[in-house]
Amino acid sequence: QSVLTQPPSVSGAPGQRVTISCTGSSSNIGAGYDVHWYQQLPGTAPKLLIYGNSNRPSGVPDRFSGSKSGTSASLAITGLQAEDEADYYCQSYDSSLSLWVFGGGTKLTVL
Amino acid sequence: QVQLVQSGAEVKKPGASVKVSCKASGYTFTSYYMHWVRQAPGQGLEWMGIINPSGGSTSYAQKFQGRVTMTRDTSTSTVYMELSSLRSEDTAVYYCARGGTLTMVRGVIQAGDYWGQGTLVTVSS
Repeated sequence: QSVLTQPPSVSGAPGQRVTISCTGSSSNIGAGYDVHWYQQLPGTAPKLLIYGNSNRPSGVPDRFSGSKSGTSASLAITGLQAEDEADYYCQSYDSSLSLWVFGGGTKLTVL
Repeated sequence: QVQLVQSGAEVKKPGASVKVSCKASGYTFTSYYMHWVRQAPGQGLEWMGIINPSGGSTSYAQKFQGRVTMTRDTSTSTVYMELSSLRSEDTAVYYCARGGTLTMVRGVIQAGDYWGQGTLVTVSS
């Protein structure tokens, strides 16, 4: 059972927009701690996609965006492409648990 | 360019220990925290702990307290993660990930911007 809750899977057709939610609590996201997002392509290491709730590292397309409100955060992907098919993880800090806590991951399928 | 290169795959018997290395290059090794994260087959990401490469201080997830030791060698810009008393449930890919800078506000909880390629540790009798 992960500290942060994500849907196990989402899907969308090429060109569409999808969102992935990440729900926490008052000891992590709700306490104001930043949320970060990672993309993990099959058989590879996680890659930082969004940091500090809504910031993209250099090289990440602006099709990817992040937001946070209350005890939840969201990752939005617009203009879906086949190469976006991957697992996506949210991560934050929990004041009563550990420095890094993760969501269970969401598998994105591009139909 | 920043690179984190990890040691190769390991096969260990239950009860043994494993030591995984992560060699950093392309940045000032002693300026950034380093985290260790593992991923069991078909499962999600699990944080194990963090090391300050400058002073060597560490903080471990409660689950691994007493079984994990993280160290560093500043002469080779390498961090190590040793896990003891291995059991089958420890079969996983182990990753190192660079965290925030030591001088950054809340540097210990900043995102992991660069990750190693992963090291598969298999625990089997």
